Order: sequence, then C-alpha cells, then structure tokens
Amino acid sequence: QVQLVQSGAEVKKPGSSVKVSCEASGGYFSSFTFSWMRQAPGQGLEWMGKITPILDVTTSAQKFQVRVKMTADKSTGTAYMELSSLTSEDTAVYYCARGLSGSGYAFEIWGQGTMITVSS
Amino acid sequence: DIQMTQSPTSLSASVGDRVTITCRASQSIDNYLNWYQHKPGKAPKLLIYGASSLLSGVPSRFSGSGSGTDFTLSISSLQVEDFATYYCQQSFNTPPTFGQGTKVEIK
Repeated sequence: QVQLVQSGAEVKKPGSSVKVSCEASGGYFSSFTFSWMRQAPGQGLEWMGKITPILDVTTSAQKFQVRVKMTADKSTGTAYMELSSLTSEDTAVYYCARGLSGSGYAFEIWGQGTMITVSS
Repeated sequence: DIQMTQSPTSLSASVGDRVTITCRASQSIDNYLNWYQHKPGKAPKLLIYGASSLLSGVPSRFSGSGSGTDFTLSISSLQVEDFATYYCQQSFNTPPTFGQGTKVEIK
C-alpha cells in the first residue's frame, strides 16, 4: 500500500525559505504526478503546483510561480517543495498528494501534512 | 481560474439522516469533479472522482452526481465517522481549485 510520508513541522523567520519533503513508499514513484497543496488556518485547500518525476516537468500556480520550486529524487522516491520569501501569510499546513493514474488532478493519496509557521 | 461554490457552508444532521451537499462551478467542467472528506488533523481523503466514480474502499452510502456546472454529493445514511468537512474540487484545468468546504456536524 502506497504511503506518502512528509517531513516534520518547522518554524521559519519572515524572508527565509522552507523545504518540505514527501517520501513515497510501497509503490511506483516516477510515473505518477505529485501535487502540493496548502491549508492556512481557517481557510480552504489551495493547490500550489505539481511535478511529474518521470518527465521532470513542473507546473505551478501563477500565485506561487516566482517563489516555489518543486523537485523529485527518483532514486529515493521523494518529492520536494521549496517555498522562498516567506511571510506570515504562508503559515499553513502543507500537503503532498499523488494523482490518480490517468487523472493527475484527482488526488488519491495524501501525505500527513507538514505545519509551517512563519513568525519573527 | 474556475471558482467552485459549495452549499451549504455547514449543516447539522443526525446519525441515519440523508445528507446532500451541492457544488457549482463557474464554468462547465464536464464531469471533472472530485469530492474529499477532511477530518481535523488528518489528510483529506478522496471519496469520489469523475463526478460519480466511487474510489475503491469508500462505503457505498456515498454517491456523487452531476455534470457541467452543478454537482451533488450524497450520503444516504449518515454515520458517526462521516462527521467531517467535505470539499469539491475541479480537475478540468490548471489550476485545480477547491470549494470552500461544507462542515457536517452532529445535531
């Protein structure tokens, strides 16, 4: 059974960067699409971007295009999301999710979430 | 971006009740509509994809319908474990977007 295990919670200073990892276990990694979403306190879910490891192709939401970098290490089955120039508005739970085969935007398997707090 | 609007924002129901949540897209999305269940402190769980296809392992009391711009999630007989927030999400184009959520609470 495929599981996505994310890195732990972090507290960051405004202006800094954060890198969240998402390790896939129990299933084939490269041919799927992995998306990143976030949920700020009291808010809904927001898609940030995606990566397809086998193609090494990324697509990001316009809002995050300048600040987000998504990568994948096929050898370890791990996806990464790095967000730079953090502000307090980036305080949120960040999720990685694997798309359904044939439908990259139906998010079948999710990581447990990583709480990122941005505070001075 | 396609806007997804859910109603109601919240509802109170009893165990055994039939519950219906609606979702409207700001433009036609064919049947590219997915439903998720989200409990506090947990990862969201995909219930239905393609508007009406039940993901393997999801109880049959959950069902989805609709196409174009109007969609419905129904729970035929609400169980204790179904109290959660439900989100619709369009997978028609980039960026995929979510509704604001419907919180199902115990009456």
